[in-house]
Amino acid sequence: EDQVTQSPEALRLQEGESSSLNCSYTVSGLRGLFWYRQDPGKGPEFLFTLYSAGEEKEKERLKATLTKKESFLHITAPKPEDSATYLCAVHLPTDSWGKLQFGAGTQVVVTP
Amino acid sequence: DADVTQTPRNRITKTGKRIMLECSQTKGHDRMYWYRQDPGLGLRLIYYSFDVKDINKGEISDGYSVSRQAQAKFSLSLESAIPNQTALYFCATSDPGTSGYYEQYFGPGTRLTVT
Repeated sequence: EDQVTQSPEALRLQEGESSSLNCSYTVSGLRGLFWYRQDPGKGPEFLFTLYSAGEEKEKERLKATLTKKESFLHITAPKPEDSATYLCAVHLPTDSWGKLQFGAGTQVVVTP
Repeated sequence: DADVTQTPRNRITKTGKRIMLECSQTKGHDRMYWYRQDPGLGLRLIYYSFDVKDINKGEISDGYSVSRQAQAKFSLSLESAIPNQTALYFCATSDPGTSGYYEQYFGPGTRLTVT
């Protein structure tokens, strides 16, 4: 069964302490991998689309990278406002409807 | 104004009641989706639609029904609400457009409590 696994489940960082989140998947022939940020009680906010191994995308303190079996979301010098749950999702190769399979997320807390 | 809106934002209802959650979008996207989110279980797909004539069941459709009234409107109904349907409900839209990728854009969510 296709799976999307995120690790760690939770991450507590000091302000300025860089770290990485992992999203691994068992899908072959990925049609897209997506990162989202979700604040408590709010809808997921789209961050990045990655498609090809070796691809990188950046936005402020966030950088997403993709290999053949996993993606990393690097948070550089985080600030308290980066506290959120980060979700990754994959578009399965057999799907033409645009359905995404989501991971359970990594909850990030950045303390001052 | 938000591209994807959901109403109501919060709802408390009793077991056995029928309830409808509504979603509207101004993004012009063809594809619309309904998810529920529970702590520890992530986002799970309830229904999805390509257009007003095309409705498909997701992984957890039992106890739910939907209506696509127009390209921009997609409603989710709980015919007879039960407590284990207490959750956060999200509507999302997507369209491959020129990018060819299906990133989804989410509404703000509806917090539903069934007592």
